[in-house]
Amino acid sequence: NAGVTQTPKFRILKIGQSMTLQCTQDMNHNYMYWYRQDPGMGLKLIYYSVGAGITDKGEVPNGYNVSRSTTEDFPLRLELAAPSQTSVYFCASSYWGSYNEQFFGPGTRLTVL
Amino acid sequence: GENVEQHPSTLSVQEGDSAVIKCTYSDSASNYFPWYKQELGKRPQLIIDIRSNVGEKKDQRIAVTLNKTAKHFSLHITETQPEDSAVYFCAAMPNSGGTSYGKLTFGQGTILTVHP
Repeated sequence: NAGVTQTPKFRILKIGQSMTLQCTQDMNHNYMYWYRQDPGMGLKLIYYSVGAGITDKGEVPNGYNVSRSTTEDFPLRLELAAPSQTSVYFCASSYWGSYNEQFFGPGTRLTVL
Repeated sequence: GENVEQHPSTLSVQEGDSAVIKCTYSDSASNYFPWYKQELGKRPQLIIDIRSNVGEKKDQRIAVTLNKTAKHFSLHITETQPEDSAVYFCAAMPNSGGTSYGKLTFGQGTILTVHP
């Protein structure tokens, strides 16, 4: 199993551009999450999904959108990129929500200039 | 919402010493407390977790204690080794009406450096 994979690894965007961060898991997990990690800070939840077709906002959803059309994929869309979105983005998944280990992807380092 | 405070932000120890990292949480309904280790440039990985119905859990050199009354929990690493050097994050999972959806609130992280 590859686990949780993310693409791209690095990306530089100009202010106002858009992009999609890809996340795929092959563990048949129901729950998936997107976090952002700013320098010297912990992870903050952006969006999460409890299954295909079901998504909800986390702590810091503004400026982002998600979709979950399949169990495996959970892309994160950035519209009108801003410098405040410069961060490392981690996707994670778990089989269930409560008491379940979350497995993280390798991360995408995004810089908005 | 839940708020998790983590201390210290940096911790430097000599190899073989013990290290203790402390976290406090605000939501008394939180019932699951994992600890993640993140090596430089890598993804966070779960190292130990504890549920609210347990006061202490141990796994070889690492242990976690939970005080529900005081709303704080701690990570203890004994006989530290240079490979323990990393950033450690605590987290809490609030439980609202019996459902949490796995939403974790993380502390700010502790940079642990173990000197040989």
